[in-house]
Amino acid sequence: AQSVTQPDIHITVSEGASLELRCNYSYGATPYLFWYVQSPGQGLQLLLKYFSGDTLVQGIKGFEAEFKRSQSSFNLRKPSVHWSDAAEYFCAVASPYGGATNKLIFGTGTLLAVQP
Amino acid sequence: EAGVTQFPSHSVIEKGQTVTLRCDPISGHDNLYWYRRVMGKEIKFLLHFVKESKQDESGMPNNRFLAERTGGTYSTLKVQPAELEDSGVYFCASSQMYGGGNTEAFFGQGTRLTVV
Repeated sequence: AQSVTQPDIHITVSEGASLELRCNYSYGATPYLFWYVQSPGQGLQLLLKYFSGDTLVQGIKGFEAEFKRSQSSFNLRKPSVHWSDAAEYFCAVASPYGGATNKLIFGTGTLLAVQP
Repeated sequence: EAGVTQFPSHSVIEKGQTVTLRCDPISGHDNLYWYRRVMGKEIKFLLHFVKESKQDESGMPNNRFLAERTGGTYSTLKVQPAELEDSGVYFCASSQMYGGGNTEAFFGQGTRLTVV
């Protein structure tokens, strides 16, 4: 079955520290991969996406993610966290074949808290 | 340009009552999706419209849920009668091009439904 696993439900980091949020997926082929962020009172915002090509993807707000086929992973990283990064982060996958629903399959989310 | 807008932002209703959620997608977006997040779980796909047609409704929980998209513009999701397990956050998303797997989906801020 297709699924996305985010093993960390809650993470706390200090401002200025580095961050890595884990994401593993189970899918028949290499899917399209996404990271979304939801800040309090806001909708889901796309941080970055991977479709093909370079396995290191740059996104908005200084985030990047690396696709590792051998590990079925798509971990999100940021070298220095800001207090405004406190939010909930969702990893998601979609079918790479297009022409279909292209519905997203989400992980359970990781809630990030940032300490001063 | 206005984003995806959802009404209401919060709704508290009693078990057995009816609730209607509304989503206004980004103008010109043919694809419209409904998702739901039950507390503590992942965001799950409910259904997908292409213009006014239901493309995929495989995620709809049961026949108490009815979604419509009048004239291919805004969409409504009605729950009748509501049950306790229907509580959660309902997200709407829209994207521009049907069949494009790499088309970004834009999300609304969600409607938090509480059934008591």
